[in-house]
Amino acid sequence: EVQLVESGGGLVKPGGSLRVSCTASGFAFSNAWMSWVRQAPGKGLERVGRIKNKGDGGTIDYAAPVKGRFTISRDDSKNTLYLQMNSLTIADTAVYFCTTEPLHLNWGQGTLVTVSS
Amino acid sequence: QSALTQPASVSGSPGQSITISCTGTSSDVGGYNYVSWFQQHPGKAPKLLIYDVSDRPSGVSNRFSGSKSGNTASLTISGLQAEDEADYYCSSYTSRSPLSVFGTGTKVIVL
Repeated sequence: EVQLVESGGGLVKPGGSLRVSCTASGFAFSNAWMSWVRQAPGKGLERVGRIKNKGDGGTIDYAAPVKGRFTISRDDSKNTLYLQMNSLTIADTAVYFCTTEPLHLNWGQGTLVTVSS
Repeated sequence: QSALTQPASVSGSPGQSITISCTGTSSDVGGYNYVSWFQQHPGKAPKLLIYDVSDRPSGVSNRFSGSKSGNTASLTISGLQAEDEADYYCSSYTSRSPLSVFGTGTKVIVL
């Protein structure tokens, strides 16, 4: 059974940093393309970015609102996907989901990141 | 990258059919046959219902069907049931980073 478990969310002040993680099991993580999708409270879904597997070049694409502030990475030895978030603003408050690509077939339960002073 | 446009809400009575539209541009919906639809119940993660415009993953009810015409994709729910009350999102591949865009979301209300 495919499982994605996010962790690391919490409360952070504007301008601060946070790293959230997604631990995968039940499938060949090293072969998978993965993405982060966020959802602000009461709002719609927004793809934050995507990372390909190393075999396909490990290319990473980011959405314009987070480019230059957020970094997606992966540790295939730990079956873990990361999202490093810097220079956080109130607009980054959201539930952050990790999901498998390219179809977004599998999703984690999400981790809440709250940016507030 | 602007979100794809969906109606804010659609309602129907049990047993009826409803259709949700998803309008984009030739750079996303109209340019590729990579439209997906997701169902999301409150407090839950989204669930993939339709991919590649009209294909269903294993286990998804055949009451859900997808189609596309030009820059607009559609999701039809047949035989509406109380459990179908949820938010629905479309998604499409796009030529612009981050290479995927979601719709604004539609709340389905079962009367």
